[in-house]
Amino acid sequence: GESVGLHLPTLSVQEGDNSIINCAYSNSASDYFIWYKQESGKGPQFIIDIRSNMDKRQGQRVTVLLNKTVKHLSLQIAATQPGDSAVYFCAEHTGGFKTIFGAGTRLFVKA
Amino acid sequence: GAVVSQHPSRVICKSGTSVKIECRSLDFQATTMFWYRQFPKKSLMLMATSNEGSKATYEQGVEKDKFLINHASLTLSTLTVTSAHPEDSSFYICSAGPRGAMNTEAFFGQGTRLTVV
Repeated sequence: GESVGLHLPTLSVQEGDNSIINCAYSNSASDYFIWYKQESGKGPQFIIDIRSNMDKRQGQRVTVLLNKTVKHLSLQIAATQPGDSAVYFCAEHTGGFKTIFGAGTRLFVKA
Repeated sequence: GAVVSQHPSRVICKSGTSVKIECRSLDFQATTMFWYRQFPKKSLMLMATSNEGSKATYEQGVEKDKFLINHASLTLSTLTVTSAHPEDSSFYICSAGPRGAMNTEAFFGQGTRLTVV
């Protein structure tokens, strides 16, 4: 299968600070992108999505930025909380519901 | 949101035996489901696309005879790991896309932890 890298970088932030998680995607033809949160032993949980005709989308405490020129996505989490500690994956749709996941970033929130 | 249920959530089997994992869409129909495999501290790797009423489409490097997929109805896909070996131990996750929906997120199950001893 496809994947953007196989390593799992780690981001450690202080509770209350903002977190920024970055991701590079692989297919320039992808037109729909999603950020997922995964807690240990569980399936991915939808956080926020963005379509290729947008460059920014905001949710509750989260913002996704899309830069199609360099095939880059970022997830910003405002006022990070201990419950935000998890692994975060960006994902792209390459056709229909076929979802290809990026490498993932582990977020640690220090109290 | 829509619910996808996997069963079992955990399974331990002996080497050489086969084990079946079920993926059900509980409140929607899905013509397409997907199976992923995830090793510890790694990303989800797409194994195959399960198509209702037709053969599954496998990703490069995935053995179709090893990982049998059946999608006999619009709400159920099964993954059978045949002649399991310890290296098949992994976290298996399925997802399903609602029938008739266009370019929205697929819904994921909670995963099945397979341990082969």
